[in-house]
Amino acid sequence: GDSVTQMEGPVTLSEEAFLTINCTYTATGYPSLFWYVQYPGEGLQLLLKATKADDKGSNKGFEATYRKETTSFHLEKGSVQVSDSAVYFCALPRSGYSTLTFGKGTMLLVSP
Amino acid sequence: EPEVTQTPSHQVTQMGQEVILRCVPISNHLYFYWYRQILGQKVEFLVSFYNNEISEKSEIFDDRFSVERPDGSNFTLKIRSTKLEDSAMYFCASSEALAGRASEQYFGPGTRLTVT
Repeated sequence: GDSVTQMEGPVTLSEEAFLTINCTYTATGYPSLFWYVQYPGEGLQLLLKATKADDKGSNKGFEATYRKETTSFHLEKGSVQVSDSAVYFCALPRSGYSTLTFGKGTMLLVSP
Repeated sequence: EPEVTQTPSHQVTQMGQEVILRCVPISNHLYFYWYRQILGQKVEFLVSFYNNEISEKSEIFDDRFSVERPDGSNFTLKIRSTKLEDSAMYFCASSEALAGRASEQYFGPGTRLTVT
């Protein structure tokens, strides 16, 4: 079945460091791919999405490219800020269904 | 900006009791969902709801679980005869269209359910 695998956290970085959070997926066909973020005490928010292969989603300095060759959708940011500290979830729609399958989430901790 | 709200933020209940988790989806959305996340594990789909009926449910959503849209604004999840393993963060979400069409799902902040 459809699934998403994310790198284990927490990821601990200093401010202005480069961020990569890996995400790979298993799916039928070429579904849309999403990154959600959960800030402390808040709900899940859509960070970015890509709807087809080779698309690049971007938002708030974050980017992710839909790579069908490697079935990956890694999240990157060139220079993280303390305010980026949150849990990041990779997700895709379940084949034939209207719901989302999520990865386990990766906690990012950014120190000043 | 419109948002999904959930109450309470934290619910503690004794095993065997019934709980109702409440959600107010975004007003013009037509699709409603419940997900849960057991501490340290994945966010898991429970149920989706459209046009006043369940459209999909997972194997987690057994006969102890039920959902209802009692009026035009609230969407509730009821769990009867709660078990210790029901302890989790429960997220409500809503969307204008189906996720398979890349429609964004808007999530609430969650209700942490603790069964003792």
